[in-house]
Amino acid sequence: KNQVEQSPQSLIILEGKNCTLQCNYTVSPFSNLRWYKQDTGRGPVSLTIMTFSENTKSNGRYTATLDADTKQSSLHITASQLSDSASYICVVTHTGGGNKLTFGTGTQLKVEL
Amino acid sequence: DTGVSQDPRHKITKRGQNVTFRCDPISEHNRLYWYRQTLGQGPEFLTYFQNEAQLEKSRLLSDRFSAERPKGSFSTLEIQRTEQGDSAMYLCASSLGTISYNEQFFGPGTRLTVL
Repeated sequence: KNQVEQSPQSLIILEGKNCTLQCNYTVSPFSNLRWYKQDTGRGPVSLTIMTFSENTKSNGRYTATLDADTKQSSLHITASQLSDSASYICVVTHTGGGNKLTFGTGTQLKVEL
Repeated sequence: DTGVSQDPRHKITKRGQNVTFRCDPISEHNRLYWYRQTLGQGPEFLTYFQNEAQLEKSRLLSDRFSAERPKGSFSTLEIQRTEQGDSAMYLCASSLGTISYNEQFFGPGTRLTVL
């Protein structure tokens, strides 16, 4: 069964600190992996996308890594801000018909003063 | 704002009633997807269209659910005889082309509450 698992389930950090979120997947055949940010009550917004041949991708203070051999990815957030408080969802695309997305359950991040 | 709009944003209904949601994708996008998201979970795929053709439906999409995209532009998702278990956020997404690298842009969602 195609699955995407994320850890931790939730995380609280102080403003200015760094954090790393983890994602393990079993989706096959694999096309690409994205990290989405979802604010409460809003739709997800893409942060990064990586194909199997890419090891790292940055978008501002967000840096994603991918190890296609171990089927693991991480999202590192640097110098966190209050506005980073959101759910971060790891999403894997199948190469099969429809390019359907399999979503993880997300990591709920809260940044506090 | 991603350019994908959904209406209504919130819907409260009584069990047994029918509801219909609308999604307007980014205008040049030929693919449109519907997802359902329950509290604390990631979105789950329901169905998708390429232009006006509905190409795949998830097993989550029971007979009470029907989706259309009559002119290959906006789409509607109807739920008949709603049940409390239908309470969720219904998300619509659109993308350009069939390349998997093409990003799916999500709308803000319609939150359904069935009393």
